[in-house]
Amino acid sequence: KAGVTQTPRYLIKTRGQQVTLSCSPISGHRSVSWYQQTPGQGLQFLFEYFSETQRNKGNFPGRFSGRQFSNSRSEMNVSTLELGDSALYLCASSLAIGGQFYGYTFGSGTRLTVV
Amino acid sequence: AQKITQTQPGMFVQEKEAVTLDCTYDTSDPSYGLFWYKQPSSGEMIFLIYQGSYDQQNATEGRYSLNFQKARKSANLVISASQLGDSAMYFCVGIQGAQKLVFGQGTRLTINP
Repeated sequence: KAGVTQTPRYLIKTRGQQVTLSCSPISGHRSVSWYQQTPGQGLQFLFEYFSETQRNKGNFPGRFSGRQFSNSRSEMNVSTLELGDSALYLCASSLAIGGQFYGYTFGSGTRLTVV
Repeated sequence: AQKITQTQPGMFVQEKEAVTLDCTYDTSDPSYGLFWYKQPSSGEMIFLIYQGSYDQQNATEGRYSLNFQKARKSANLVISASQLGDSAMYFCVGIQGAQKLVFGQGTRLTINP
């Protein structure tokens, strides 16, 4: 079966610009979560969506936003980019039925560089 | 809130030796789960093994096993017969609720031929 697909793989943006990253989960998975990985802060939770609703949000400024579509694909958007936003952004999809979850599968990530 | 601690920033092991990567966790929830993921230089997170707090036995998956000691709040990963391809970053990860993963700092494992 197809895995979690993140596009694009690499991105270079200029300070002040905005960027949109995409994540297509495994078919049938309705939960998508996003993580930021930097050398200094490690892996940090951004937000999680389930059935088009944001259920949980990490401690990031409002410049970071996301959404989920009816087909479970998710996008995250970062506005007014800063140098510190340079990171690997990972998304993970998971299957949960009746409160029992069945693991997380990660995409290959989008490496964002802000110059 | 859950906290995951990995105290080994880096480890160097000879090929074919067994290696233990340490992980301690701190949570007040009676129900929780712990994962280990491997991250090669390509960046993708690869699932290795999962242990639920109510599981009676330690989890095993091929060459990977989890030494789960609830009283000590530790969930160490054991890799038997290490291979060159095992060189990567390894993350101990806790699950908070069913929505949020909490990552440890990671351990960079290097397997020497």
